[in-house]
Amino acid sequence: NAGVTQTPKFQVLKTGQSMTLQCAQDMNHNSMYWYRQDPGMGLRLIYYSASEGTTDKGEVPNGYNVSRLNKREFSLRLESAAPSQTSVYFCASSPIGRANTGELFFGEGSRLTVL
Amino acid sequence: GENVGLHLPTLSVQEGDNSIINCAYSNSASDYFIWYKQESGKGPQFIIDIRSNMDKRQGQRVTVLLNKTVKHLSLQIAATQPGDSAVYFCAENLAYNMLTFGGGTRLMVKP
Repeated sequence: NAGVTQTPKFQVLKTGQSMTLQCAQDMNHNSMYWYRQDPGMGLRLIYYSASEGTTDKGEVPNGYNVSRLNKREFSLRLESAAPSQTSVYFCASSPIGRANTGELFFGEGSRLTVL
Repeated sequence: GENVGLHLPTLSVQEGDNSIINCAYSNSASDYFIWYKQESGKGPQFIIDIRSNMDKRQGQRVTVLLNKTVKHLSLQIAATQPGDSAVYFCAENLAYNMLTFGGGTRLMVKP
């Protein structure tokens, strides 16, 4: 059982380039999330999708877009990368009935460096 | 690992001792409080949650205490083991799906 799978694990971009981080979960979870983690800080929510077909902004959505492609997949796109977006990105999911308690299942992260 | 932070508070304990990790939260309206463990190079892993109408909850080797009067949350780990070495984050669930994480505490277990 793979859980939450993120690709790529590492990426280096130049300022202004675009890219998409992919996330897939095989646990049949309804809700999916994208967080970023910067050194010395906790995770901050970028976007989330409470269920297939819906997406909502989190705490730090500027510079990002998301797509909930189907129940399994939730992608994060950087249209024009900036050095401030250098971070580790985590995708997470939660099953119906547990999202309100805060129990999330995280992927292993995607480390992005923007030069 | 991804959670290397220049200013992460660190707790160092001897193997076998009990550990207590503390956290202050900010929003009295939070319904749930949660503890996560993050090992180097991995994503956070859910440990335990506690609802705001409780003051104590126990799991396997872990106990979470909630003091709403002073907005304080703590995680107690009994008989700490080397495998407990990680960064621990508290989080509060302000609304459906909206977690706010604290800055984290690094736990180092000395053999």
